[in-house]
Amino acid sequence: EVQLVESGGGLVQPGRSLRLSCAASGFTFDDYAMHWVRQAPGKGLEWVSGISWNSGSIGYADSVKGRFTISRDNAKNSLYLQMNSLRAEDTALYYCAKDIMGGELLPPGGFDYWGQGTLVTVSS
Amino acid sequence: QSALTQPASVSGSPGQSITISCTGTSSDVGSYNLVSWYQQHPGKAPKLMIYEGSKRPSGVSNRFSGSKSGNTASLTISGLQAEDEADYYCCSYAGSSAWVFGGGTKLTVL
Repeated sequence: EVQLVESGGGLVQPGRSLRLSCAASGFTFDDYAMHWVRQAPGKGLEWVSGISWNSGSIGYADSVKGRFTISRDNAKNSLYLQMNSLRAEDTALYYCAKDIMGGELLPPGGFDYWGQGTLVTVSS
Repeated sequence: QSALTQPASVSGSPGQSITISCTGTSSDVGSYNLVSWYQQHPGKAPKLMIYEGSKRPSGVSNRFSGSKSGNTASLTISGLQAEDEADYYCCSYAGSSAWVFGGGTKLTVL
C-alpha cells in the first residue's frame, strides 16, 4: 500500500524558515517524480514544486521561486521542502504527492497518491 | 502561471450528467493534452480522477470522463450519485517544469 506521510509543519514567524519532510513507502521511491502541493485554509489547490527521480529536473511555482528548495533522498525514501523567508501567504496545508507517470517530470501526467498534509502557519 | 478558470459551483440531480469546464491559455491547456482532474471531499486529501486529459486511474468509475477543446478542458460526470458531491480541481502542465491548478468547482448533488 502506498503511503506518504508529511511532517515538519508548525507555527513560524514571518521571515523565518521551516523544513518539511515526506516519508514514502509501498512503492519504489526512486522510480517516480514527486511534488509538493499546498492548500490555504478554505482555498483551492496550488502546485508548489516538483522533482524528478534523480533530482535532475526541478520546478517551482513563481510564488515560491527563490525562497523554497525541493530535494529528495532516495536512500531514505524521503522528499523535502526547505522553506525560507516565509510569508503570511505561505500559510497552508502542504501535501506531498507522487507522480503517476514515472521518474521524470515530463511527460506530465498527474498526482496519483497524496499524503494527509502538514499544516504550516506563518504568523507573528 | 495564472490559475486556470473553473466555475465556482455546479449542481445536478441524481442520475443526471454534469460538465465542469477548465479554461486556460495557449501556454498551458491549449498546448498540452495533459490536464488532470481531482476530487476532494471536505477534510480529505485530493483524489486523482482523470490524467493525461482522458485516462482514468485504476479504480475510478467510468462515469467520469475528460476531454479538451482548444484552451478548455472538461470533466463530465454521468449518472450523478450523492457521493460525487465534492470539490473538483483541474490541473495543467504550464511549461518550464511547472503546473497550474484551477480555482476549484463545488459540485452539489440536489
